[in-house]
Amino acid sequence: SYVLTQPPSVSVAPGKTAKITCGGDNIRNQDVHWYQQKPGQAPVLVIYDDKDRPPGIPERLSGSNSGDTATLTIRRAETGDEADYYCQVWDSSTDQPVFGGGTKLSVL
Amino acid sequence: EVKLVESGGGLVKPGGSLRLSCKASGFTFRNAWMSWVRQAPGKGLEWVGRIKSKGDGGATDYAAPVKGRFTISRDDSKDTLYLQINTLKTEDTAVYFCTMRPVVEADFFDPWGQGTLVTVSS
Repeated sequence: SYVLTQPPSVSVAPGKTAKITCGGDNIRNQDVHWYQQKPGQAPVLVIYDDKDRPPGIPERLSGSNSGDTATLTIRRAETGDEADYYCQVWDSSTDQPVFGGGTKLSVL
Repeated sequence: EVKLVESGGGLVKPGGSLRLSCKASGFTFRNAWMSWVRQAPGKGLEWVGRIKSKGDGGATDYAAPVKGRFTISRDDSKDTLYLQINTLKTEDTAVYFCTMRPVVEADFFDPWGQGTLVTVSS
């Protein structure tokens, strides 16, 4: 089955840019979706179809997908962006979704 | 506003059973493809299974680790999704989230319920 690989943690200084990667074989051929999960809360969709933002998600969050890596970019990072971020694709070979292992973003 | 509210979690002994519920509101539930996703303590998200709308055949599908023990069903008259969990194992300890495809063509999930905690322990 398809495997998504994320770094366990990423740190960024307030006001700077954070990049969270999601690796997968030829992931550029997949639609990649990203979720933000704050402690004790449910996941929230922040990017779908590689780069589209649901209503209410700030433009500071953006997504890209190329080669074997999809990237969630968070510009002008704020302490409120501290959360776990998960990427997700749909594995057509199993007709089931696959989640990455998650990346903990620290803003400090 | 689309809302999903799970209930039914609790402390269960290994080998026991539990039925989780997810009450939906704010959208036409009978047309939605619904999923359950779980998260073990301190771990990542794991898809459990899915049920299609009855209009699309109502088929269910499950992740390999839970196939044969978990059963997803729906009662469209009550706008409620269910997850029947049998022969519980300690590794089933997790928060169980109810979620959905916002449109059938989408392959992502939005929104998610707040989750219900299942603890399997003797």
